[in-house]
Amino acid sequence: TQLLEQSPQFLSIQEGENLTVYCNSSSVFSSLQWYRQEPGEGPVLLVTVVTGGEVKKLKRLTFQFGDARKDSSLHITAAQTGDTGLYLCATAGAGSYQLTFGKGTKLSVIP
Amino acid sequence: GAGVSQSPSNKVTEKGKDVELRCDPISGHTALYWYRQSLGQGLEFLIYFQGNSAPDKSGLPSDRFSAERTGGSVSTLTIQRTQQEDSAVYLCASSLALAGQGAYEQYFGPGTRLTVT
Repeated sequence: TQLLEQSPQFLSIQEGENLTVYCNSSSVFSSLQWYRQEPGEGPVLLVTVVTGGEVKKLKRLTFQFGDARKDSSLHITAAQTGDTGLYLCATAGAGSYQLTFGKGTKLSVIP
Repeated sequence: GAGVSQSPSNKVTEKGKDVELRCDPISGHTALYWYRQSLGQGLEFLIYFQGNSAPDKSGLPSDRFSAERTGGSVSTLTIQRTQQEDSAVYLCASSLALAGQGAYEQYFGPGTRLTVT
């Protein structure tokens, strides 16, 4: 099973600030997904990245997949209180149907 | 509703009792997944179904855990002789087809929070 390391584990910032969270592995990802989970809810898929060097934007969120496909980052511009939640990265190994998740970054955006 | 639903939302049980957790996937989704989320362990995969078949049960933590799916729809996860270490949030997800390499999105339910006292 591929291990995913996420950092930081916790992040507390003021509304309007920018932030970046990271997801790394010692193995190459076949693809990588980012999810956001709010308290009492299941994770919701934000994006899937497949190609090394790929950059995807979702409003104020920018997702980057490393050239070597061993790391990924999520950058949030001008954070809002609605961005508060647990951000999880996950990968499905080639030929595997199960998602392996990182332990997540718990983000708190303070008004 | 249109999403994945799970019941009960919360379950408190005494150690040694059996519990059944239910998942109603999105209509038309052929693939169904169970995950467990606990503090310090993150989210771990338990089992998946394609239709009513579960080809790989190796993710289940012990033989006290079993799951079934009937009619290609509802699934139940049963934990026998519950232990305190079984306390966690049990999440169910479904997808149009088997999710390989992120090809198909998995939609998660809100989970069942199980507390074993």
